[in-house]
Amino acid sequence: RKEVEQDPGPFNVPEGATVAFNCTYSNSASQSFFWYRQDCRKEPKLLMSVYSSGNEDGRFTAQLNRASQYISLLIRDSKLSDSATYLCVASPGGYQKVTFGTGTKLQVIP
Amino acid sequence: DTAVSQTPKYLVTQMGNDKSIKCEQNLGHDTMYWYKQDSKKFLKIMFSYNNKELIINETVPNRFSPKSPDKAHLNLHINSLELGDSAVYFCASSDTPTETQYFGPGTRLLVL
Repeated sequence: RKEVEQDPGPFNVPEGATVAFNCTYSNSASQSFFWYRQDCRKEPKLLMSVYSSGNEDGRFTAQLNRASQYISLLIRDSKLSDSATYLCVASPGGYQKVTFGTGTKLQVIP
Repeated sequence: DTAVSQTPKYLVTQMGNDKSIKCEQNLGHDTMYWYKQDSKKFLKIMFSYNNKELIINETVPNRFSPKSPDKAHLNLHINSLELGDSAVYFCASSDTPTETQYFGPGTRLLVL
């Protein structure tokens, strides 16, 4: 089993739609969680951190479920510019390695 | 005022050659990383340094040797290049190992 798993997609959604991605992690010691966004042929960039109580940043909402060991990302009112690959990240903390998921590709269609 | 820079951006070379990729960050971060992203887009950590000390060394062939001359630089030297080394190599940095990572633009390596 991969340490951090995501549905690779692609998710093809119309503009204005709401779309949700899930990500599961296998290391129960994971303490910090993030969502990164990677555009085609570009480097990954932080989209948002994921906090235990869940957090929102504009159209984006992240949730953490420690009991089931998954995190989610909800995107409301999808824009064409949201088209990208979304990478889930889990970190146990300290000097242990940060693990990136395989990414979920989103294509927002006009 | 690029935060994390890498050189070169593109590298095309023959099998068996030795090549180096350089990385510099001007964010004042203590931790730096090398990642490999293969054709399936999986981003896999190779090495991590904290204050010039190696803290993560994943199962990478010993043909790959990182070197951190100071906190702001982390270079990657690859000996005897193989076809399977073709990938995009990303350098990244963070304040601490658990904080947000800032990535360089990547070096696209093609081994012929």
